Amino acid sequence: DGGITQSPKYLFRKEGQNVTLSCEQNLNHDAMYWYRQDPGQGLRLIYYSQIVNDFQKGDIAEGYSVSREKKESFPLTVTSAQKNPTAFYLCASNSGGNTEAFFGQGTRLTVV
Amino acid sequence: AQKVTQAQTEISVVEKEDVTLDCVYETRDTTYYLFWYKQPPSGELVFLIRRNSFDEQNEISGRYSWNFQKSTSSFNFTITASQVVDSAVYFCALSELDSGNTPLVFGKGTRLSVIA
Repeated sequence: DGGITQSPKYLFRKEGQNVTLSCEQNLNHDAMYWYRQDPGQGLRLIYYSQIVNDFQKGDIAEGYSVSREKKESFPLTVTSAQKNPTAFYLCASNSGGNTEAFFGQGTRLTVV
Repeated sequence: AQKVTQAQTEISVVEKEDVTLDCVYETRDTTYYLFWYKQPPSGELVFLIRRNSFDEQNEISGRYSWNFQKSTSSFNFTITASQVVDSAVYFCALSELDSGNTPLVFGKGTRLSVIA
């Protein structure tokens, strides 16, 4: 089936550790996005990529890093520099900025 | 800067009632797109509608309808005869075109609870 797959669904991290969230799509979409969702905050953009080997910072990029080596994959690394990493992370993709975005099922990250 | 405001944080209705979710946006572009998404408890966002700034016709899809008014910068969403399965968080979003293809900017969402 075509779609976006995020893994893992739940992730626990100790303070000071880096963790990487996976996002894979088989929709042949050029653009991919990472959003963070906190209660009452809606979705906030972390990073996005409109083409392979290129990406841009979103509104809350500090403490995060990404790569886009393949069209299908856009992994997000939450580094130890991110002070409040506990959140729900959503990956999305589309054919361009104004088209319908498809979302993965999300990864819930908890710092323990 | 673009901005989306959903003033209603939470709404509770009794099943079969009609309910309207408000969305007000800000943009300097003349060409832009508006979206509504539904987020059920499972967490995945489900696309509901996309509307461009030049199309102000209201749209109806089953029990769902959307009222786009550029004069008030609003894109409201109405559910008629609500059902328990409509319980979810609903997000309004905006993407501008004049400034280049920009990522979706979301409102903070409205949590709708439909009580049987």
